[in-house]
Amino acid sequence: GQNIDQPTEMTATEGAIVQINCTYQTSGFNGLFWYQQHAGEAPTFLSYNVLDGLEEKGRFSSFLSRSKGYSYLLLKELQMKDSASYLCAVFPSGSARQLTFGSGTQLTVLP
Amino acid sequence: KAGVTQTPRYLIKTRGQQVTLSCSPISGHRSVSWYQQTPGQGLQFLFEYFSETQRNKGNFPGRFSGRQFSNSRSEMNVSTLELGDSALYLCASREQGIHTGELFFGEGSRLTVL
Repeated sequence: GQNIDQPTEMTATEGAIVQINCTYQTSGFNGLFWYQQHAGEAPTFLSYNVLDGLEEKGRFSSFLSRSKGYSYLLLKELQMKDSASYLCAVFPSGSARQLTFGSGTQLTVLP
Repeated sequence: KAGVTQTPRYLIKTRGQQVTLSCSPISGHRSVSWYQQTPGQGLQFLFEYFSETQRNKGNFPGRFSGRQFSNSRSEMNVSTLELGDSALYLCASREQGIHTGELFFGEGSRLTVL
């Protein structure tokens, strides 16, 4: 089965840097996704990692270590609009392949 | 290109009733997945359809069912509604054959069961 853990809530200040961690235990691995979901809106794709290392995309970066079953999402130069839920999701390998989500981390950015 | 469209956006039902939710995927996307989102459980996978066939199914009771039509539009049905079925139901589509498997979500149908 799949088990994905991430903190429930985090708070940070505008302009700061925040790191949201995600650990996973899955039956096979075929990629890890990060999604952002603002209240009342659809989740939107942020990043995808399938190989170890850091993927940078503007203010957002995502890191993966497959041997440790660990990923983090790094948000730099935080803005008020970054207040949202951040969802870690794993795409397992094998025949029953569906994206499995963690419960999400609710990030609040304070002025 | 239009995004994933879900209808209705909001609905209220009473226990014992049944409900049908509709999803139109992004044009050209043949895979449609359904998720249930609740504050306590997060996003839980319901099922995935591709070319009118159910490919994967999550751990939900048989009251939850779905189907996909030849134009890739999908519907899900919940029969004999229970209070615990109150949730946001999200539909997502993706291009088959794209390795990343990135899902594009609709804004969801928020179901309240009284």
